Amino acid sequence: DIQMTQSPSSLSASLGDRVTITCRASQSISTYLNWYQQKPGKAPKLLIYAASSLQSGVPSRFSGSGSGTDFTLTISSLQPEDFATYYCQQGYRTPYTFGQGTKLEIK
Amino acid sequence: EVQLVESGGGLVQPGGSLRLSCAASGFIFSSYDMSWVRQAPGKGLEWVSVISGSGVNTYYADSVKGRFTISRDNSKNTVDLQMNSLRAEDTAAYYCAKDYGRIAVAAEGAFDIWGQGRMVTVSS
Repeated sequence: DIQMTQSPSSLSASLGDRVTITCRASQSISTYLNWYQQKPGKAPKLLIYAASSLQSGVPSRFSGSGSGTDFTLTISSLQPEDFATYYCQQGYRTPYTFGQGTKLEIK
Repeated sequence: EVQLVESGGGLVQPGGSLRLSCAASGFIFSSYDMSWVRQAPGKGLEWVSVISGSGVNTYYADSVKGRFTISRDNSKNTVDLQMNSLRAEDTAAYYCAKDYGRIAVAAEGAFDIWGQGRMVTVSS
């Protein structure tokens, strides 16, 4: 199975900050890497697919990059609604696997 | 509107069975793979199973293989998850999710639409 490792596990930041979350795959997954945002009690929401493609309706302050084994999600200027938990996920091969999550909190 | 609505779930004793159903609307259901993803209380996301658009191919996480069965009815736009021999560690919110499909290179395996989730609690 492909293991996905996110860092950090938690992050405190202020409004307007630029934040970066990283995700590493245990083997190459090309660009089959997706990012989700989840708020408490809600279903996950797709933000970025295929490593760098912005899902329709997602603000442009979100961006993704990477290929192979190393990926990043960047939020350019944190807004109040961005405080949530973020997950990476590989869609390269079943079993599809998620990172353990990064909880983004207000400093 | 593209939508997934789950039903079923609830409280069951260890060793028991439950069935979850997910009704889809707003898209050509038979054209997309469908998955189930679960989340134990306070924990991360865990992919459970996927079924191809035709229903011919199915895959499971090792943690549920041999106990859970995914199926779909393309005439009714539904996908089900039959869960047998349930264990305490199966306690989770279960989400059905639509695969993004071949809309772009490397988009397959992404989940663009999610249901609201149904709680399954396995406890005596």
